[in-house]
Formats: sequence, C-alpha cells, structure tokens
Amino acid sequence: DADVTQTPRNRITKTGKRIMLECSQTKGHDRMYWYRQDPGLGLRLIYYSFDVKDINKGEISDGYSVSRQAQAKFSLSLESAIPNQTALYFCATSDFARGGADTQYFGPGTRLTVL
Amino acid sequence: KNEVEQSPQNLTAQEGEFITINCSYSVGISALHWLQQHPGGGIVSLFMLSSGKKKHGRLIATINIQEKHSSLHITASHPRDSAVYICAVTYTGGSYIPTFGRGTSLIVHP
Repeated sequence: DADVTQTPRNRITKTGKRIMLECSQTKGHDRMYWYRQDPGLGLRLIYYSFDVKDINKGEISDGYSVSRQAQAKFSLSLESAIPNQTALYFCATSDFARGGADTQYFGPGTRLTVL
Repeated sequence: KNEVEQSPQNLTAQEGEFITINCSYSVGISALHWLQQHPGGGIVSLFMLSSGKKKHGRLIATINIQEKHSSLHITASHPRDSAVYICAVTYTGGSYIPTFGRGTSLIVHP
C-alpha cells in the first residue's frame, strides 16, 4: 500500500462549488504539506502543518483552507472553486531531520478541473 | 525572493547519451534535492545532498556550495528515464520548506 494517499485522484467540478481534497499517510510523519502544480510554474506551497496543532499559510493560500484532523490526515478545501484553481494538487509529508534537510514524500496527486 | 533556476527547460536525447541537468540557487542552503516526476504525475525523491556527490545506479548528483550550483547526470540514458526532473532547495535560517525549480522535461528516444 502507498505511504501517502490522496482522494479523489481526479475531480471535475463547477465554479462556486466547495471541494475537499483529502490526504492520508502511514509514514508516521509530523509534517504535511499541500502544493499545487501548474504547467511551467513548478510546485507552489499552499499550506503546511508541522504537527496537529500547527497550521501555516504558504505562498498561495488565498481561496484555500486546510484541516489537520490527526497526525495522519490533512485535508485541503476550496471554499468556492474558480477556474484558475484548475491544477494538479499534491500532498507531501516529511519527518524533521537535524539541520532541516527533510526528504519529502509525495502522494500521487489529484487532478482538479474547475469549469 | 530566493530563486531556484534550472536549465535546460526541455531536453531531448537519444538512448545511450550522457545527460546533464543544471540547478542554480541564490543563497545559502541546508540541502538540495533532486526529484523525478513520472509522466503519470507521481513525484519521487532521487537525492538529497548538502555537499560533494552522490550516485545511485546511472544517476549522479553533484553540488558545488561555493558556486551555488548542482548538476544531475544520467549516464547511458534510456527511454524509461523520460520524466520531469525537479531541483529543490531548503534555505538556511528559514522554516526548511523547500523551494522548487520549474523542472526540466527530459525525453529519451530509442
């Protein structure tokens, strides 16, 4: 079984709908992240959480919210989806390493299309 | 803003060729990562390095801290190496969240 799972894998929705993307991990890591990937732009950080009680905004958090329900679960919500949120979304986890050199482990991605 | 620059953006090669992908960054780092994104979308970590050189199979990653530059080499390239290769760095003095380059798309023809 995969260590980091994302559901759904693909989603097509309409403008204005509320969407939740879910991420679960079995690696036992404290740190979890949500990224979006757009063609030609690379991965950009939306939100991150260093433990269950710690939530932080990333580079592009506007229009998104998150919930860290447990160490293993980190959900991303689009409160009112808009077409420019069409992208590939990745969840990732990492375990703190001395010196800050964490290796990140990625989920398979969720392809979201907002019409 | 701290930047991570990769070159080339796109690369096409014939099977068997030696491949080099470059990554430059702007300030001091705690680590540099090379990742591979398969055509299906999945991302896996290939290397994490803070100095010197690492090798895994046909892949070699080097870093020059003074020049703020890293290279990823693929020897005897194969069509299954076709993927997007992403460089990421974690900067010292921050929260150690990686900053990602835009990726290099590699296609290896048989």
